[in-house]
Amino acid sequence: DAGITQSPRHKVTETGTPVTLRCHQTENHRYMYWYRQDPGHGLRLIHYSYGVKDTDKGEVSDGYSVSRSKTEDFLLTLESATSSQTSVYFCAISESTGGLYGYTFGSGTRLTVV
Amino acid sequence: RKEVEQDPGPFNVPEGATVAFNCTYSNSASQSFFWYRQDCRKEPKLLMSVYSSGNEDGRFTAQLNRASQYISLLIRDSKLSDSATYLCVALTNFGNEKLTFGTGTRLTIIP
Repeated sequence: DAGITQSPRHKVTETGTPVTLRCHQTENHRYMYWYRQDPGHGLRLIHYSYGVKDTDKGEVSDGYSVSRSKTEDFLLTLESATSSQTSVYFCAISESTGGLYGYTFGSGTRLTVV
Repeated sequence: RKEVEQDPGPFNVPEGATVAFNCTYSNSASQSFFWYRQDCRKEPKLLMSVYSSGNEDGRFTAQLNRASQYISLLIRDSKLSDSATYLCVALTNFGNEKLTFGTGTRLTIIP
């Protein structure tokens, strides 16, 4: 496996609080991604990074921010959590340019906003 | 219209049977395609890439039809362990490394 870990694995938080999810990789891959997965919607891209301090928005980026200060860590922050952000969050890495080999996913973070 | 569409199923298939999934994509510029497998409450895992000429990996065969913009996955001699959700995936922005996922097709193999 590519050595990708997510933390925490589960979290319950209150509406309006900030939450940060962490994705850590040990393989020095350039590309990292944050997705959320919801019933009926599949996996949707929130933000992605193509290098240290290089990030861009995905299709569902509102209410989320990211940071990548070093290659191995990609942080996702919910600035003020809402119930609509209750979801399973997956981090992924790309092991090649062009996506020829697809992505490798972390085990996911189950976030519940109450 | 979703960029990648799949029949959500569920498909309930007896063990040993052959099952086929189809998937359509709307962006004709999509470059690469994949099938992922996702077990319940687990992360998606790459099952196989899909090449223009079609490719086979053991009991699994993937086909790509660019003219009709669909991808297929065939599973022969299905096993109980094949029970999972199968995700169809298209690389829609070459160079930006972004994959677009279908919502998945749920497969249950019945003993």
